[in-house]
Amino acid sequence: EIVMTQSPATLSVSPGERATLSCRASQSISSNLAWYQQKVGQTPRVLIFGASTRATGIPARFSGSGSGTEFTLTISSLQSEDFAVYYCQQYNNWPERTWTFGQGTKVEIK
Amino acid sequence: EVQLVESGGGIVQPGGSLRLSCAASGFIFKNYDFHWVRQGTGKGLEWVSGIGTAGDTHYPDSVKGRFTISRENAKNSLYLQINSLRAGDTAVYYCARGEDCTGGYCHYDGMDVWGQGTPVTVSS
Repeated sequence: EIVMTQSPATLSVSPGERATLSCRASQSISSNLAWYQQKVGQTPRVLIFGASTRATGIPARFSGSGSGTEFTLTISSLQSEDFAVYYCQQYNNWPERTWTFGQGTKVEIK
Repeated sequence: EVQLVESGGGIVQPGGSLRLSCAASGFIFKNYDFHWVRQGTGKGLEWVSGIGTAGDTHYPDSVKGRFTISRENAKNSLYLQINSLRAGDTAVYYCARGEDCTGGYCHYDGMDVWGQGTPVTVSS
């Protein structure tokens, strides 16, 4: 099964600064990657799919990049509401359909 | 309003079984794939099952043989049967909407709608 590894586990950032989160797949997943944000006490919210397409209503400060096995989520200028846990998720169709989440990166206030 | 509402969680003894339900509203249920995702207290998200519009089912190796996902389009409902429950199954279980196959063209825009979750506790 495909394993997704996120780094770092915790990222300390000051408001207004840039945050860069990484996600690595154990094998190539093309661009079949989504990013989710989960705030304390809330359900996850999809931010990015197809590695780089923002979901409906997601601010432009969130951007995704990468393909194959290496992916990045960038938050260009952190706002107070962006402090949360972020998960990457692969969705693969071969040889069987699977979905796997990374273990998450917590973005906290520095 | 587009909505998913889970039910059926509770406290179960090890070795027991449970059937979770997820009621959908506000959209055409039969056109979408669905998933169950669980989250232990203070833990990350874990995908535990998926079902396509054609009824095809998918599981990670960790739950194969114990979890069964099903859907009933006439009732706009999704289900998860969990057997041989163990302590490691303790978690909040979420249903989530997946791939959109409206008009025969399927596209995945992430799991874009989530229920509020139903808690499952396995304890003697």
